[in-house]
Amino acid sequence: DAGVIQSPRHEVTEMGQEVTLRCKPISGHDYLFWYRQTMMRGLELLIYFNNNVPIDDSGMPEDRFSAKMPNASFSTLKIQPSEPRDSAVYFCASSLRVNGNQPQHFGDGTRLSIL
Amino acid sequence: DQQVKQNSPSLSVQEGRISILNCDYTNSMFDYFLWYKKYPAEGPTFLISISSIKDKNEDGRFTVFLNKSAKHLSLHIVPSQPGDSAVYFCAASGLDTDKLIFGTGTRLQVFP
Repeated sequence: DAGVIQSPRHEVTEMGQEVTLRCKPISGHDYLFWYRQTMMRGLELLIYFNNNVPIDDSGMPEDRFSAKMPNASFSTLKIQPSEPRDSAVYFCASSLRVNGNQPQHFGDGTRLSIL
Repeated sequence: DQQVKQNSPSLSVQEGRISILNCDYTNSMFDYFLWYKKYPAEGPTFLISISSIKDKNEDGRFTVFLNKSAKHLSLHIVPSQPGDSAVYFCAASGLDTDKLIFGTGTRLQVFP
């Protein structure tokens, strides 16, 4: 079974450039989550969607960050303009339900470096 | 404000012995707890979970214990194997939140 697929796996770009991270959730999953992992703060939830609708974006750090889910099989996280402090590993996860006995399944992440 | 805390950043255990990873939480509304394992360059992988109506859940070598009065959970791995070397995250969700709140992780190293 295909898991959550993220692309690219690595992204290195210069400060000020636009960055777009992509995620394909597991087919049939109706929840999709974007996380950021840093040494200082661990795994932080940025935003999550239910049935393609954003439910909670309170974790999005600034207006420079935006996320979309145009359909059930694709989501993007965009940073514009990017800054060095955005450097982190970004994970996408999907699940059938938010809690209960349906854990979230994670992709392998995108390691983002902003120079 | 860290609602889920893993106070030990690292743990080293000999192969064959027991590994005990600890996690504390502050929100009494949490009712579902999970452990994830993460290898380098991979995403976290779900390991085991427990509902607040239980105090123990077991799956093979892995057992999670929940002490609600102390707001504490632990993951026991018996016997520990070198392949268990990874970062372990505990996470919680609850009645007042749809989100999974993660701890900062504990790096487990199992040596021969």
